[in-house]
Amino acid sequence: SSELTQDPSVSVALGQTVKITCQGDSLRTFFASWYQQKSGQAPVLFIYGNNNRPSGIPDRFSGSSSGDTASLTITGAQAEDEADYYCNSRDVSGYHMVFGGGTRLTVL
Amino acid sequence: EVQVVESGGGLIQPGGSLRLSCAASGFNVRSNYMSWVRQAAGKGLEWVSVVHRDGSTYYAESVKGRFTISRDNSANTVFLQMNSLRGEDTAIYYCAREYYYDRRGYPSSMDVWGRGTTVTVSS
Repeated sequence: SSELTQDPSVSVALGQTVKITCQGDSLRTFFASWYQQKSGQAPVLFIYGNNNRPSGIPDRFSGSSSGDTASLTITGAQAEDEADYYCNSRDVSGYHMVFGGGTRLTVL
Repeated sequence: EVQVVESGGGLIQPGGSLRLSCAASGFNVRSNYMSWVRQAAGKGLEWVSVVHRDGSTYYAESVKGRFTISRDNSANTVFLQMNSLRGEDTAIYYCAREYYYDRRGYPSSMDVWGRGTTVTVSS
């Protein structure tokens, strides 16, 4: 399958830890990446290669992957973390990328 | 500064054509995988098309046979020719560079995104 599955919505209390998951067959073979998108803005890469942060991304964001599931963890969620989060990976063929459906994170 | 800037969007009638452009700066498009990704209003991200470093091209099933991706190395620009447009093609179209290669030489993520260009297909 070329699909990546995410929970549509997740909520977290301010300052608490939250995990957003992404499941798909391609994750057994290829790295996962995670993107944050705020309303009216372009996506921003937050995690690449399963668990690497680009420069400028806060270290409260971390990634992991095992088997067919990748996870994005926010340790000590802040109000500004409220956004949509998308995972992606290469398709099982390797020829192109595929995105998960996105998870809307609400910080309570 | 590494960046891409999309242009060419607009209002077009069903069945019409548009050509989107993605002008890159700070890197060479010929040395990178370059993708188009779209997002309909209130919906998620959908990969549309990619051109690999070797020039090979791939398309989502939803656009195959109607869209064509190409690049002009001298202009450092990637294009998306969209024909036979349908209402469901209405979306913001983003251009993105694929980067951070894995051990097998596949890029693992999209690290540079433009602000997008809006395509509206409506009569």
